[in-house]
Amino acid sequence: GNSVTQMEGPVTLSEEAFLTINCTYTATGYPSLFWYVQYPGEGLQLLLKATKADDKGSNKGFEATYRKETTSFHLEKGSVQVSDSAVYFCALKGGATNKLIFGTGTLLAVQP
Amino acid sequence: NAGVTQTPKFQVLKTGQSMTLQCAQDMNHNSMYWYRQDPGMGLRLIYYSASEGTTDKGEVPNGYNVSRLNKREFSLRLESAAPSQTSVYFCATRLNNSPLHFGNGTRLTVT
Repeated sequence: GNSVTQMEGPVTLSEEAFLTINCTYTATGYPSLFWYVQYPGEGLQLLLKATKADDKGSNKGFEATYRKETTSFHLEKGSVQVSDSAVYFCALKGGATNKLIFGTGTLLAVQP
Repeated sequence: NAGVTQTPKFQVLKTGQSMTLQCAQDMNHNSMYWYRQDPGMGLRLIYYSASEGTTDKGEVPNGYNVSRLNKREFSLRLESAAPSQTSVYFCATRLNNSPLHFGNGTRLTVT
């Protein structure tokens, strides 16, 4: 079945550092891929998405490129801020059920 | 515009007690979902409702029941709570294929 694997955290960075959070997936067909972010005490919010191979999703300085050849959708940001501290979830939607399947989440802590 | 509202925010139950988690949305979305979030497990779908009057099991439905009271409200009931149901519960909604909108969660502890 479909699944998502993302790197375990926590990821601890200094402000202005470069961020990569790895995400790979297993799916039949051509799923849509998402990154959601969960700030402390809140529900998840959509950060960005890509619906087909080679698409790049971007929002708030974050980017992720849908790479079918490596079945990956890694999240990147060139210069993180303290306010980016949150839990990031990779997710995919597709297949017969069309349900959203989440990865386990990666906690990012950015220190000033 | 409140979006997705969950009540209560926190709850402590004893094993065997029952309770209902409430979710209401004011966005006129047709689909509603209940997830649980556990460390190292991500979010897992408990039940969902594609439209008013329909409900379906998700990945982890055992021990739960749901009710889609009307288009706005989707409640999750634990008839006999167990410690394994200690978790953070999130309600989410969606209009057709738009992104999910989440509530702020209910933190449930079962002792």
